[in-house]
Amino acid sequence: DTGVSQNPRHKITKRGQNVTFRCDPISEHNRLYWYRQTLGQGPEFLTYFQNEAQLEKSRLLSDRFSAERPKGSFSTLEIQRTEQGDSAMYLCASGGQGEYNEQFFGPGTRLTVL
Amino acid sequence: AQSVTQLDSQVPVFEEAPVELRCNYSSSVSVYLFWYVQYPNQGLQLLLKYLSGSTLVKGINGFEAEFNKSQTSFHLRKPSVHISDTAEYFCAVSNTGGFKTIFGAGTRLFVKA
Repeated sequence: DTGVSQNPRHKITKRGQNVTFRCDPISEHNRLYWYRQTLGQGPEFLTYFQNEAQLEKSRLLSDRFSAERPKGSFSTLEIQRTEQGDSAMYLCASGGQGEYNEQFFGPGTRLTVL
Repeated sequence: AQSVTQLDSQVPVFEEAPVELRCNYSSSVSVYLFWYVQYPNQGLQLLLKYLSGSTLVKGINGFEAEFNKSQTSFHLRKPSVHISDTAEYFCAVSNTGGFKTIFGAGTRLFVKA
């Protein structure tokens, strides 16, 4: 078990371009979360999957953001028509079947929109 | 709705001194409470958690935290810090019936020699 992995680790893009990030959770975990973290702030919830079902999406998330987890394993987060305000660290976390919400975090993908 | 307030954005402390990082939460339902640590260029790592039972919980790296329901607090403590404890610390709350976790803004602990 190598933990949660995220790719790429860094992404620089121009405003208006689309970007896609990938998260590979711990293999036996059925819960998967995406967060956004900006400088000086804690992680901000974006969306949550239980297996392949997306159960909640933050109201803060615009329609430009979409996430998938097609087979209940890895997940992708796509941002369309990126804006400078999208620049942030995007964190993925996974969790097991336990009755509490402990989450194991990946190293994050740092997005810079020029 | 739940919220988390970390009362100090930065805490400088000398090596081997004790430290307390303060966290207050707001929730109308039962909660789980967590402290995570984030070292530079790394993901968040769980330090400790409160689920139920004893209000004093012990975590990794010599940290402990005490759940105080009447004061809605979950302060993190360590009796003697090391240079290697320099990191960002996040308090988080999750309701026992759901999955969503709310994080505080973080406290940067800076340990000086």
